[in-house]
Amino acid sequence: SAVISQKPSRDICQRGTSLTIQCQVDSQVTMMFWYRQQPGQSLTLIATANQGSEATYESGFVIDKFPISRPNLTFSTLTVSNMSPEDSSIYLCSVASSGDTEAFFGQGTRLTVV
Amino acid sequence: GENVEQHPSTLSVQEGDSAVIKCTYSDSASNYFPWYKQELGKRPQLIIDIRSNVGEKKDQRIAVTLNKTAKHFSLHITETQPEDSAVYFCAASSGAGANNLFFGTGTRLTVIP
Repeated sequence: SAVISQKPSRDICQRGTSLTIQCQVDSQVTMMFWYRQQPGQSLTLIATANQGSEATYESGFVIDKFPISRPNLTFSTLTVSNMSPEDSSIYLCSVASSGDTEAFFGQGTRLTVV
Repeated sequence: GENVEQHPSTLSVQEGDSAVIKCTYSDSASNYFPWYKQELGKRPQLIIDIRSNVGEKKDQRIAVTLNKTAKHFSLHITETQPEDSAVYFCAASSGAGANNLFFGTGTRLTVIP
């Protein structure tokens, strides 16, 4: 199974600022995803992080608000830009490899915007 | 996109009883259906999954059934134990494997000792 390290684990940020979350995997993976989970709620897919190309965003999420990078097969970042209190949530990185049906999750980043 | 509905939102059972959680999906192209367990403050972890070419899968006390025609699938937990208490999420994906997953709204299961 993949070991995923997500940083930071939590942060409290001022509105209007940006936060970059890092996701590091201990092995090369084909697929990397970013999810948002608001307190007590389900997981919502933000985007698929594509290596070497622009991320694929789901409906309701845009690149200007959630820019994503994926420079290689083991690392990705998600930036939450121009934050507002409504962005307060847990952000989770997820990975899967082709031929592997299981998706693994990082421990999440708990973001509070004040 | 895919829409996954999950019921019930909360479920309480006595220890030793069975628990059943049901999900429906909208995209007929979906072919992979995992179930995740999330304990408080922890990451979701896969407990069982099923592909669309299989109608039922069992792993000890946990089983999943899939009705592709009706587009619904269910999680069955038998002989429940207090450590089964958690939030359970169903999900669906149309990818080759665990690609972009669309999750249900979750079921908070409480097993009463």
